[in-house]
Amino acid sequence: SQTIHQWPATLVQPVGSPLSLECTVEGTSNPNLYWYRQAAGRGLQLLFYSVGIGQISSEVPQNLSASRPQDRQFILSSKKLLLSDSGFYLCAWSVGDSNQPQHFGDGTRLSIL
Amino acid sequence: AQKVTQAQTEISVVEKEDVTLDCVYETRDTTYYLFWYKQPPSGELVFLIRRNSFDEQNEISGRYSWNFQKSTSSFNFTITASQVVDSAVYFCALSELNNAGNMLTFGGGTRLMVKP
Repeated sequence: SQTIHQWPATLVQPVGSPLSLECTVEGTSNPNLYWYRQAAGRGLQLLFYSVGIGQISSEVPQNLSASRPQDRQFILSSKKLLLSDSGFYLCAWSVGDSNQPQHFGDGTRLSIL
Repeated sequence: AQKVTQAQTEISVVEKEDVTLDCVYETRDTTYYLFWYKQPPSGELVFLIRRNSFDEQNEISGRYSWNFQKSTSSFNFTITASQVVDSAVYFCALSELNNAGNMLTFGGGTRLMVKP
């Protein structure tokens, strides 16, 4: 069966520090991968998605970037964090056609001080 | 462009009450897919159900039931005899046919609080 791993679960970082969040999927090949952000008490904002290795689409311009160095690995990065980057970050995967659901990881709670 | 609206931002009920979460969508496609997800306090999103636009049969799974009405572009979710464990944020989402990357358009979510 497929599983998705996301780490770390929580992270506290100072403003201006770098960021690296990692997400890996097991049990499937060539998944679509997604990064979402959720501000406290708010809905989901799609940040990036990827349909293959090295293919990244950005939905919202910001100081974050994403990379997909391997088929089932998706990394969210920043060179210098802003206070507004605080939130709950969720990674998700899907396979197949548009009738297939996305499946989400447990998320990372990021607090910027 | 597609859009999903969950007009109820927060609902509070007492345990054992029935509760319906509303979802209204907009799309120009004739083939599309609708989803419901549950986000408990722990944070992860749990997939609950998928419905195809060409299948208007309602579905029941235990205490959960879903009412899909194409005529009103609605896909409502009812929890019968609610329990405290049902307390969560519930998201409705839409996917159009052949969209690159299986993108989902999410509603803003409805926070359900079930009190003992």
